[in-house]
Amino acid sequence: GQNIDQPTEMTATEGAIVQINCTYQTSGFNGLFWYQQHAGEAPTFLSYNVLDGLEEKGRFSSFLSRSKGYSYLLLKELQMKDSASYLCAVMDSNYQLIWGAGTKLIIKP
Amino acid sequence: GAVVSQHPSRVICKSGTSVKIECRSLDFQATTMFWYRQFPKKSLMLMATSNEGSKATYEQGVEKDKFLINHASLTLSTLTVTSAHPEDSSFYICSARVLQENQPQHFGDGTRLSIL
Repeated sequence: GQNIDQPTEMTATEGAIVQINCTYQTSGFNGLFWYQQHAGEAPTFLSYNVLDGLEEKGRFSSFLSRSKGYSYLLLKELQMKDSASYLCAVMDSNYQLIWGAGTKLIIKP
Repeated sequence: GAVVSQHPSRVICKSGTSVKIECRSLDFQATTMFWYRQFPKKSLMLMATSNEGSKATYEQGVEKDKFLINHASLTLSTLTVTSAHPEDSSFYICSARVLQENQPQHFGDGTRLSIL
């Protein structure tokens, strides 16, 4: 079966760095997406990785290792507004998005 | 770019009513639109995939006669919840994607549906 695993919840301190991991087992791979979802709102697109390596976009970076079925989202210089759920989603061989359950990130002052 | 508009943002109505939700891609042509449902503190659940000009593909367990989807143009898809019941109360979110399948989905703001 297809499976996406990410931690349910994480806590970090304002100004710090946090890494949210995602491991996946899917039938084929056509890329991995990270989305941010604030409570009561729709998801917003953060990043897309299809090749191995690190993609940096401002305070956010996303890493992919296809051989390990592993990705992480790295958030630097955390701000209170970064408190949200972070969703990992993998596109399988049929270009269907398989969604993880999301990681709720709590930022403390 | 890649703005998706979803209306209404909130609906409260009586049991038995039919509710229509619109999803529009404002600045791009969306060959494929997706309809999701999300319960509180749960992940997104894909209900159906809608391709312009063809019938929607429903996920297992989703009643196509209850959740009617129309994707009549490259910028508009609608979801109609027919004869809604309290158990249909949920957060419904649409997303849209351009032709290239490996492009990200862009989400509308969602519709919070409450059936009394």
